[in-house]
Amino acid sequence: DIQMTQSPSSLPASLGDRVTITCRASQDIGNYLRWFQQKPGKSPRLMIYGATNLAAGVPSRFSGSRSGSDYSLTISSLESEDMADYYCLQSKESPYTFGAGTKLELK
Amino acid sequence: EVQLVESGGGLVQPGRSLKLSCLASGFTFSNYGMNWIRQAPGKGLEWVASISSSSSYIYYADTVKGRFTISRDNAKNTLYLQMTSLRSEDTALYYCARLGITKDYWGQGVMVTVSS
Repeated sequence: DIQMTQSPSSLPASLGDRVTITCRASQDIGNYLRWFQQKPGKSPRLMIYGATNLAAGVPSRFSGSRSGSDYSLTISSLESEDMADYYCLQSKESPYTFGAGTKLELK
Repeated sequence: EVQLVESGGGLVQPGRSLKLSCLASGFTFSNYGMNWIRQAPGKGLEWVASISSSSSYIYYADTVKGRFTISRDNAKNTLYLQMTSLRSEDTALYYCARLGITKDYWGQGVMVTVSS
């Protein structure tokens, strides 16, 4: 099974900061990588699909990138509404696997 | 508007069974593969199972293989998850989800609590 190693697990940051979350895939997943945002009590929201594509309605301060087996989600200038949990998901092959999650919180 | 509404959750004793349903509306259900994804209290997301549009392809997470069965009734626009031999570690919020190429849709989730 493909393992997704997500880091960091917790990310304290200040408003206006540039922050990056990373997932490393244990096998080749091409660009079959999504990023989700989840706020307390809510269902996950797709932010990035195909590793680098912004989902509909997602602010342009969010971006996705890939370097080899490392996939990153970057927020260029943190806003208060971005405080949430973030997860990566590989959908290259079953069983699909999520990263363990990153809690983005105010410093 | 796409809607996914889960039902069938509740409190169940270890070793017992439970069947979840997900009623889909707002799209042609028979054209899309579907998934069950769960989240234990205070924990991360875990993909559970998926089924292709015509039920030809079915996959499970190792943690539920042999105990859970995913199925669908395209005439009723409904996705199912039959859960047997339930364990305490199956306690979670279970989401029904359509994971598209550029867009995803998730239900609000249904809680399953396995406890004596």
